[in-house]
Amino acid sequence: GQSLEQPSEVTAVEGAIVQINCTYQTSGFYGLSWYQQHDGGAPTFLSYNALDGLEETGRFSSFLSRSDSYGYLLLQELQMKDSASYFCAVPMDSNYQLIWGAGTKLIIKP
Amino acid sequence: DSGVTQTPKHLITATGQRVTLRCSPRSGDLSVYWYQQSLDQGLQFLIQYYNGEERAKGNILERFSAQQFPDLHSELNLSSLELGDSALYFCASSVGRRTEPYEQYFGPGTRLTVT
Repeated sequence: GQSLEQPSEVTAVEGAIVQINCTYQTSGFYGLSWYQQHDGGAPTFLSYNALDGLEETGRFSSFLSRSDSYGYLLLQELQMKDSASYFCAVPMDSNYQLIWGAGTKLIIKP
Repeated sequence: DSGVTQTPKHLITATGQRVTLRCSPRSGDLSVYWYQQSLDQGLQFLIQYYNGEERAKGNILERFSAQQFPDLHSELNLSSLELGDSALYFCASSVGRRTEPYEQYFGPGTRLTVT
């Protein structure tokens, strides 16, 4: 089967750096996506990695290691508005839909 | 604003009833996805349509059905509602090419409360 694992909760301090990990198990691999969801809001697309390495978009970066079936989302210079749930997702074998991790709740303390 | 619209925003109904949720995708997007999210839970994929045809099915109950119309808007029909169907229902859209499932744009959701 296909599955993703990510920590249920991560706590960090405002201004710091935090890393949210995601390990996946799939029969085929096409890429790893990250989404952010604030409480009561809709998920919003953050990033997509198809190849190994680090992709940087402003304060957020996403990393992928296909050999380790592992990726992470790195958030720098944390702001209170970054408090949200973060989901990793990979496509099903059919490549038409995403399988979603259970989400990591990021708690930021002042 | 993602460009995806969903109506209604809130819906309160009684057990046993039937409701219809509506979604309009972003302009140019051919794929529509429906998700269910219960309180403090992850996203459960229900069903996907591409250019009017069903493309993928997830954990969708037989009491639920959906369709995508020629103008690409989609409707999710929920019938014989139970208390456990209370959840946020999201619609998302993507361009629909082979690699596009990774980048989905979500509507604001419909919060369904079954009493």
